Amino acid sequence: AQSVTQLDSHVSVSEGTPVLLRCNYSSSYSPSLFWYVQHPNKGLQLLLKYTSAATLVKGINGFEAEFKKSETSFHLTKPSAHMSDAAEYFCVVSDLNAGNNRKLIWGLGTSLAVNP
Amino acid sequence: NAGVTQTPKFQVLKTGQSMTLQCAQDMNHEYMSWYRQDPGMGLRLIHYSVGAGITDQGEVPNGYNVSRSTTEDFPLRLLSAAPSQTSVYFCASSFFRDRGEQYFGPGTRLTVT
Repeated sequence: AQSVTQLDSHVSVSEGTPVLLRCNYSSSYSPSLFWYVQHPNKGLQLLLKYTSAATLVKGINGFEAEFKKSETSFHLTKPSAHMSDAAEYFCVVSDLNAGNNRKLIWGLGTSLAVNP
Repeated sequence: NAGVTQTPKFQVLKTGQSMTLQCAQDMNHEYMSWYRQDPGMGLRLIHYSVGAGITDQGEVPNGYNVSRSTTEDFPLRLLSAAPSQTSVYFCASSFFRDRGEQYFGPGTRLTVT
């Protein structure tokens, strides 16, 4: 069965320091993986996606994530945090090879705080 | 393109009242879905549709109905509101083949007293 675990519910960093948001997944097939961002009182926006091409995926706003099959991980990183990065981040897995019953599995989210 | 629009933005209902949350998209997406977002519980899928005339239940469908008469519109109906339905509701759409790449509306914050 599919599952997604975001290992930290809250992460706090200082502005200008690196960001690491951790995501582990479980999938029986070849998954697609996504990160979404939700700024306070806003809808969700796709940050980046992995769909079996390059394992290092670049997204918007300087974020990137690396798909590591051996570790079943898809951690989100950014070299230098900006105040505007403060938001909720969701890791999502989609099983692409299970026919029409494919569905998205959402992690519970990681709240990122950026301190001046 | 307006993307995905939702109305209303805020709503307060009394227990037992009914209402419809509206959702529309102008991207010709086949796939549309409704989620609710509650603190500490992430996003939970209520109902979804893979095209006009086709709907199916998600993981938390009880107390909600949907219909999809056109590609553009996917309203969510609360039949008899309960305090447990207090939540933020998001509508999303995507192309069927790219269901992970969803476009979200701005959300409706619903309070049931």
